[in-house]
This record gives sequence, structure tokens and C-alpha cells, in this order.
Amino acid sequence: EDQVTQSPEALRLQEGESSSLNCSYTVSGLRGLFWYRQDPGKGPEFLFTLYSAGEEKEKERLKATLTKKESFLHITAPKPEDSATYLCAVQQGSSNTGKLIFGQGTTLQVKP
Amino acid sequence: EADIYQTPRYLVIGTGKKITLECSQTMGHDKMYWYQQDPGMELHLIHYSYGVNSTEKGDLSSESTVSRIRTEHFPLTLESARPSHTSQYLCASSANRGPKSSYNSPLHFGNGTRLTVT
Repeated sequence: EDQVTQSPEALRLQEGESSSLNCSYTVSGLRGLFWYRQDPGKGPEFLFTLYSAGEEKEKERLKATLTKKESFLHITAPKPEDSATYLCAVQQGSSNTGKLIFGQGTTLQVKP
Repeated sequence: EADIYQTPRYLVIGTGKKITLECSQTMGHDKMYWYQQDPGMELHLIHYSYGVNSTEKGDLSSESTVSRIRTEHFPLTLESARPSHTSQYLCASSANRGPKSSYNSPLHFGNGTRLTVT
């Protein structure tokens, strides 16, 4: 069964304290792994797509990496505005529908 | 800068009422989706559409129905709301890269409708 598990569920950091969020997945034929950011009361906002093991993407203080079993979202020197819930999702390999399986998210709080 | 719009943002309604959640996108995307999200839980797909006159049920069983008469519009309807339908409903769309493409464009989400059925 296709599954996505994110850890930790919640993470508190001091401003400037770097850390990583984990997304472990099991899927038959990965078509893509997606990272989203969700602020309270809003819909998820797209961050990155990763397609194959070894691939990396960067955007400001965020860097996403991918292996055959997991993805990491590295946050370097975070700021309070990075506080949000970060969602990981994988595209099922059996179809081209674009359907995604989501993890439950990691809620990040960055204190000044 | 949302190009996908959901209305209403919040809805409180009594049991047994019929409701329609609106979703419109201005990006010309062929694929559209409805996800359901409870606090602290994963998003679950309840409906999706490949294009006009195409609708499919998602992985999570839902008593709601959808229609796709126009590319830009994908409303969700509950004929008789119940307290168990209380949740956040998120609409999304993605570009179509063509039938032979193995990959899909990322989903663009609206800001959701938070539904409370009393």
C-alpha cells in the first residue's frame, strides 16, 4: 500500500537554528515527490518537485533532497516567517491522473 | 496570488441542508481535484476531473458529488449535510502535460472552505 509518513509531527526552532524535516514513503514506481507549505487558514503552496533519487532543489533557506526511500527538507538559518506546516506528497506510479498521497505534515514553529 | 478561488471561505449550516461549494480557476488547467482535510490530518482525495464532462471518485469515500461543465468551474455538492461532513474542503488544479507525459505539474490549491454542520 502506498504510504507517506512525515516526522517529526511538530518542531520548534530558535531563529537561525538549522534543522531537517523527514518524509518517508513507500510507493510503487515514484512519479514525483512534492513539498508544500501550508499556513493556517490557507491552502497548501507548492515548494518543490523531486523526480529521482539524488535530485536536489533549493529555494531561499529551503533545500529538498530525495533518496529511494525518503526525502528531506533542510531549513538553513530559519526565520519566524518560515513557521508553517510542511506537507510531503507522492504521486502514485500506476496512473497519470496527478493524484497525490499526502503525509500528515510537520508543523514548524520558529521563535525569534 | 491565488488563481484558484473557493467560496464560501466559511460555512455553518444545519443538518439536512443542501450545499454547494464553489471552485473556479483562471489558469486553463484541465485537471481539477477536491481534497478533504481535518485538523492535523492528511489531505484525502475525494473527487477529481481530467476535463469537461469527466469526473471520478477519489480514494476517500464521500457522499458528495461534483460536476465539470466548464473547464474553469468544479463545484462540489452535498445533497443533505450531516455533522460528519464537518471538515475543510480544498480545491486544486494542475496543468495537463499531455496524454503521453509520465509526470504531472504540481497542484495549485485554493484557500479552502471550512464547513461546519450543526
